[in-house]
Amino acid sequence: EIVLTQSPGTLSFSPGERATLSCRASQSVSRNYLAWYQQKPGQAPRVLIFGASSRASGTPDRFSGSGSGTDFTLTISRLEPEDFAVYYCQQYATSPWTFGQGTKVDI
Amino acid sequence: EVQLVESGGGLVQPGGSLRLSCSASGFSLRSYAMHWVRQTPGKGLEYISAISGDGGTTYYADSVKGRFTVSRDNSRNTLFLQMSSLRADDTAFYYCVKVRGTGPNSWFDHWGQGTLVTVSS
Repeated sequence: EIVLTQSPGTLSFSPGERATLSCRASQSVSRNYLAWYQQKPGQAPRVLIFGASSRASGTPDRFSGSGSGTDFTLTISRLEPEDFAVYYCQQYATSPWTFGQGTKVDI
Repeated sequence: EVQLVESGGGLVQPGGSLRLSCSASGFSLRSYAMHWVRQTPGKGLEYISAISGDGGTTYYADSVKGRFTVSRDNSRNTLFLQMSSLRADDTAFYYCVKVRGTGPNSWFDHWGQGTLVTVSS
């Protein structure tokens, strides 16, 4: 099983700042099958990034993903008020399709 | 528009059973693998099961293997999760999830709103 570690658990920012979130895998994620999801209170998660760096439909271009192998990053270039949420990384290369424990982006 | 609507959640006693349903619309269910993911209130996401488009291949997390059974009725555009021998740590929101590609190894592009299962005496 690929274990994904997101650190830290909570990050605090002000609107307009740049946020960088980390996701580290316990083994290489083949074909960079790594996705990022955003979840707001009371809502289901929604996909932001797939294939480590491709934006999903509807994802604003202030969100970008990078990385390969075992180290991945989600960057939000300029935080908007609606971006304060919990972000999860997920590998979908192999069963079980595991998630990181999440990083909360807080004001 | 893709829609996934879960139902069947509720309160059940430890050791009991429950069957969740997920009604899909806006796409042809038979063309996609589907997953179930759960989330303990206030906690993270946990994949628990997946099923291929034709229903011929199923996958389970170790935490539910032997207790949960995933199935699908493509003619009714419905996905199911039969849960038995339920334990307190099965308490969670259960999400039905569609993947982007035809096989299970694809990102999760649509999620249902979730249904809450509470296991308690």
